[in-house]
Amino acid sequence: DAGVIQSPRHEVTEMGQEVTLRCKPISGHDYLFWYRQTMMRGLELLIYFNNNVPIDDSGMPEDRFSAKMPNASFSTLKIQPSEPRDSAVYFCASSFGTEDSTDTQYFGPGTRLTVL
Amino acid sequence: AQTVTQSQPEMSVQEAETVTLSCTYDTSESDYYLFWYKQPPSRQMILVIRQEAYKQQNATENRFSVNFQKAAKSFSLKISDSQLGDAAMYFCASNNAGNMLTFGGGTRLMVKP
Repeated sequence: DAGVIQSPRHEVTEMGQEVTLRCKPISGHDYLFWYRQTMMRGLELLIYFNNNVPIDDSGMPEDRFSAKMPNASFSTLKIQPSEPRDSAVYFCASSFGTEDSTDTQYFGPGTRLTVL
Repeated sequence: AQTVTQSQPEMSVQEAETVTLSCTYDTSESDYYLFWYKQPPSRQMILVIRQEAYKQQNATENRFSVNFQKAAKSFSLKISDSQLGDAAMYFCASNNAGNMLTFGGGTRLMVKP
């Protein structure tokens, strides 16, 4: 299995621009998670999906952030407009799961976002 | 809210020796999972080991083992025969009934040759 795939691996953009991060989960996994990692706040869960449906987006910092999962094999995290404080590493992870508990989450390689 | 605490920001170990990384957690759930993830300089989050809370037996994966003390809510990671490739950030994490992982702040492990 190819594992969780994320693109791009690095993104440098200017403040105010739209940024779209992409994720392909492991085939067959029904849960997908987006995390952000910064020095100040560590690893934070932003949003997660079950069977393509957003379940909890309470970690999304503000309305500039949005996430979609149009099908079982693809998800996007969009920031519009981007700000320098959005600079971080963004991880996507996927897992099997039931209603009560998820199995191990497998992480993608991350996207390092730099907003100038 | 669930919390995970790693009290050691940094640890070092001599190559071939053993090191233990500490983790404590707080949860009101009766059934949950605990994990240790490794993050090398490549940034990839790699699962090292996991423990199911209802299992009393400590999990083991080759040179990695855990000491799970449920009553004390403690979940430490022991690395035996440390290798240079073990140098990384190590994150302890737990999940809850909401399927969300909560991570500790991480411990940076340095391995001295």
